Amino acid sequence: GESVGLHLPTLSVQEGDNSIINCAYSNSASDYFIWYKQESGKGPQFIIDIRSNMDKRQGQRVTVLLNKTVKHLSLQIAATQPGDSAVYFCAETGGSNYKLTFGKGTLLTVNP
Amino acid sequence: DGGITQSPKYLFRKEGQNVTLSCEQNLNHDAMYWYRQDPGQGLRLIYYSQIVNDFQKGDIAEGYSVSREKKESFPLTVTSAQKNPTAFYLCASTRHRGVSPLHFGNGTRLTVT
Repeated sequence: GESVGLHLPTLSVQEGDNSIINCAYSNSASDYFIWYKQESGKGPQFIIDIRSNMDKRQGQRVTVLLNKTVKHLSLQIAATQPGDSAVYFCAETGGSNYKLTFGKGTLLTVNP
Repeated sequence: DGGITQSPKYLFRKEGQNVTLSCEQNLNHDAMYWYRQDPGQGLRLIYYSQIVNDFQKGDIAEGYSVSREKKESFPLTVTSAQKNPTAFYLCASTRHRGVSPLHFGNGTRLTVT
């Protein structure tokens, strides 16, 4: 079946380093991708999104890269801070909000 | 500030009892959603509603029911038919037209014993 998955379930980095969180998807019809951050006991918070007509999009300290050829999505966080410690989810859809498919998440831990 | 309010944050029930989780939004969003989150798993869609007085089953609707009588409100009832109701429940909303990010509430953690 179609799925969205993550290469690494956990990632530990030092404060100030750059973090890269990866996500693979299998639905070739997916055309909209979202990254969410979820802190313990809270709901997911939108970070950044990208449509399939782009391969890179930048936000504040974050960059999302999309490689449609290999169906791979990544989230880069620059100068990672302790406040970035959370679970990060990727999600994808082929054109409808109600068909949003979420990955299982990567736990990012930032060490001071 | 606009947002989504879920209440209560923690809920405890005895097995065999129905329980209703509240979700209210003041974002003027047309579409609302309920997701279930279990440890180590991604979010799974229970029900969604794209407009008042209309809703559709998601991937795991068995044992759940919803209503959408007002645009701002989308309560979820976990019935006694739900075999494994203990979980973290998340409500979300989004604009109806086009694909856009979901805005989530802070969830209700339901424990059934």
